[in-house]
Amino acid sequence: DGGITQSPKYLFRKEGQNVTLSCEQNLNHDAMYWYRQDPGQGLRLIYYSQIVNDFQKGDIAEGYSVSREKKESFPLTVTSAQKNPTAFYLCATRRGAAGEWTDTQYFGPGTRLTVL
Amino acid sequence: GDSVTQMEGPVTLSEEAFLTINCTYTATGYPSLFWYVQYPGEGLQLLLKATKADDKGSNKGFEATYRKETTSFHLEKGSVQVSDSAVYFCALPSNTGNQFYFGTGTSLTVIP
Repeated sequence: DGGITQSPKYLFRKEGQNVTLSCEQNLNHDAMYWYRQDPGQGLRLIYYSQIVNDFQKGDIAEGYSVSREKKESFPLTVTSAQKNPTAFYLCATRRGAAGEWTDTQYFGPGTRLTVL
Repeated sequence: GDSVTQMEGPVTLSEEAFLTINCTYTATGYPSLFWYVQYPGEGLQLLLKATKADDKGSNKGFEATYRKETTSFHLEKGSVQVSDSAVYFCALPSNTGNQFYFGTGTSLTVIP
């Protein structure tokens, strides 16, 4: 199956613990994104990456970290420095090749993180 | 900067009613415009898009027309169904294409 996989679907964490959310894609898309969604709000960009081994901060990067060691994978770590991490986290991808970017983003199913 | 503003919800309609969800945008240049739909507990799915002025995007009975003169991209459906109950997001890419700007979402509930 082609698509974007996020795991786990639900994640519980104790305060003070780091936790890593997985995002994998087999669409061969170049760009990957992490968004945070809070109840009744829109999506806010945490980090994005347009190429392997490179990534940029979004609007709310504090308390989060990412890596992009492989084209297929863009894991997000929520660190203990993130003061209010309980939220729904969405991974997205976008195709780009030879400098020509399509402008459609495709989303994974999301991970709901709850801090206990 | 670039942004989208969409009508606040929640919206509750009876089955077979007409739906309009307003979206206006501010943008540098003429970006593509998008509507995404999110069903409970799921990620966002692309509903429709339009790539230039006067284009009409359509899918599953939903339509939206890219209107440059009013900077709008309103979502419409002639006859909603219970299965259309979801949250709808208007969106546009930044002028660099590096990110998307999303509206705050409009929750729609359709009752039988």
